[in-house]
Amino acid sequence: NAGVTQTPKFQVLKTGQSMTLQCAQDMNHNSMYWYRQDPGMGLRLIYYSASEGTTDKGEVPNGYNVSRLNKREFSLRLESAAPSQTSVYFCASTEPVAGNYGYTFGSGTRLTVV
Amino acid sequence: AQSVTQLGSHVSVSEGALVLLRCNYSSSVPPYLFWYVQYPNQGLQLLLKYTTGATLVKGINGFEAEFKKSETSFHLTKPSAHMSDAAEYFCAVSDAGDEKLTFGTGTRLTIIP
Repeated sequence: NAGVTQTPKFQVLKTGQSMTLQCAQDMNHNSMYWYRQDPGMGLRLIYYSASEGTTDKGEVPNGYNVSRLNKREFSLRLESAAPSQTSVYFCASTEPVAGNYGYTFGSGTRLTVV
Repeated sequence: AQSVTQLGSHVSVSEGALVLLRCNYSSSVPPYLFWYVQYPNQGLQLLLKYTTGATLVKGINGFEAEFKKSETSFHLTKPSAHMSDAAEYFCAVSDAGDEKLTFGTGTRLTIIP
């Protein structure tokens, strides 16, 4: 089925470890996003990419890096994980053609940093 | 910059009763407005959206919302709640023509049998 695929679904890290969250979409969308979801805070934008080769910071970029590897893939890297990065991470994509606004979300990665 | 306020982090309604989830926005330009639903341990799914045209929009699963510019609101309603409607609901806004969304903090809907 067409959509956004995130891997892994679950991950436990020790403080200071690094990891990369993977996201791929097969809808030929230009724009991709990384959000984190925390209880009572809704979704907050970490980074986004309006097109292949471009990335921009969102609301909460500290402690994260991203790579837009090609049009399909947008990865999120934690270089040195901290307990404050315990969260559920969502990748989303969209194609901002007039009348077609709105994201397609992946199913999320639940990350725990101990 | 836009912002979204969802009144009530938790709402409980009886099965068969009216569902009303409130969303107010702040935007300096005409907004695009969205409602998303999140079932447990899943991603967010688009329920409905308003971009231009008719201010009453209908979405999936019997939900609808009305854009009221004078009240800066986009409340979500469903005439008769079903047990399967239990989920978390997020309102989101973007400036017209801007693809980036700003999300509210969410409302968890519980259905009482």
